[in-house]
Amino acid sequence: AQRVTQPEKLLSVFKGAPVELKCNYSYSGSPELFWYVQYSRQRLQLLLRHISRESIKGFTADLNKGETSFHLKKPFAQEEDSAMYYCALSSYNTNAGKSTFGDGTTLTVKP
Amino acid sequence: ETGVTQSPTHLIKTRGQQVTLRCSSQSGHNTVSWYQQALGQGPQFIFQYYREEENGRGNFPPRFSGLQFPNYSSELNVNALELDDSALYLCASTPGGKGTGELFFGEGSRLTVL
Repeated sequence: AQRVTQPEKLLSVFKGAPVELKCNYSYSGSPELFWYVQYSRQRLQLLLRHISRESIKGFTADLNKGETSFHLKKPFAQEEDSAMYYCALSSYNTNAGKSTFGDGTTLTVKP
Repeated sequence: ETGVTQSPTHLIKTRGQQVTLRCSSQSGHNTVSWYQQALGQGPQFIFQYYREEENGRGNFPPRFSGLQFPNYSSELNVNALELDDSALYLCASTPGGKGTGELFFGEGSRLTVL
């Protein structure tokens, strides 16, 4: 069975501080991992996915298959990063429509 | 390019009633998925439709059913509503096919069951 765990419901950091949002997963096949973000009064949208290896808005995430983790990191948090973040997993061999989401982490960046 | 649109945005029903939620996929997307998001939780996969057929289902009872139309729009129907069905229902579309998928979400329909 697929499972995604985001251990922190709430995370608060000061502007300019590093931030790391944790995500652990369990899946026996070939996973594809995503981070989605929901800013205030906006719809849920993709932030980044492991397969593209991009840095989006200064965020990066590395898939660690040994530790089954996909933590999201940013070296210097900005106030506009305050949002709800969801880690999600799907099978690489199927459509991403069948994704499993964690329960999310609310990030607050204080001035 | 038109994004995913959902209707209605809010609705209130009573236990035992039936509800239909509607979704128009993003242009060019032939696959639609429905998710239920209870308060304080992440989205939970209900089912997916591809080429007007159900193509995968999560752990939801048969009273949750759906349709997809030739223009790729979709409906989610819930019969015999229960209090626990109160949630935000999200529709997401993807271009279809395997692998590098990204979900494009609508703003959701918030259902309250009294």
